[in-house]
Amino acid sequence: NAGVTQTPKFRVLKTGQSMTLLCAQDMNHEYMYWYRQDPGMGLRLIHYSVGEGTTAKGEVPDGYNVSRLKKQNFLLGLESAAPSQTSVYFCASSYRPRGQGAHPHTGELFFGEGSRLTVL
Amino acid sequence: SQQGEEDPQALSIQEGENATMNCSYKTSINNLQWYRQNSGRGLVHLILIRSNEREKHSGRLRVTLDTSKKSSSLLITASRAADTASYFCATPPDPLFGNEKLTFGTGTRLTIIP
Repeated sequence: NAGVTQTPKFRVLKTGQSMTLLCAQDMNHEYMYWYRQDPGMGLRLIHYSVGEGTTAKGEVPDGYNVSRLKKQNFLLGLESAAPSQTSVYFCASSYRPRGQGAHPHTGELFFGEGSRLTVL
Repeated sequence: SQQGEEDPQALSIQEGENATMNCSYKTSINNLQWYRQNSGRGLVHLILIRSNEREKHSGRLRVTLDTSKKSSSLLITASRAADTASYFCATPPDPLFGNEKLTFGTGTRLTIIP
């Protein structure tokens, strides 16, 4: 199993350009997430999905859109890139939690290796 | 806003020594998780401790949780060079208290000196 795979791993954009980051998981996980990691800021949740066809906003959703058309894929789109979106982006997935409650964020997260995006 | 905050921000120790890092959080939780991140890599889940547990072990890792103080600690015993990494605590939401996302702290950067 490959786990969580992100493409591309590196990308340089000019301000105003658009792009899509692809996340694919082969663990049949229900939940998927997009985070960004910036120095001194830790990881911040952008958007997440609790199942095929559903998405929800996280802590920093502005400037991003997502889609979950297939259970194994979670796409993150930047419609008009800005320098403030220069960051390392991580995709993660998790199983549907069991036992202590069924809230979407109680499971162990499996992360991809990250996508480094630079916006000039 | 950060839910979990790790302390210290950076820690350097000699190989073989024990490393302790702490995490404080703000609101009630139903469990707390610790992750490791090697430089340039994704995060890897280490251990999850539930709110009704006080201590949990996994190999050379020992995690404690004090819900009255809203704090957790991660102890790595007999450190190795391969333990050099950043360590993050993550606090999932408790639906009773309205915290709707899994939030990570800013991490502790651990360096093991050979």
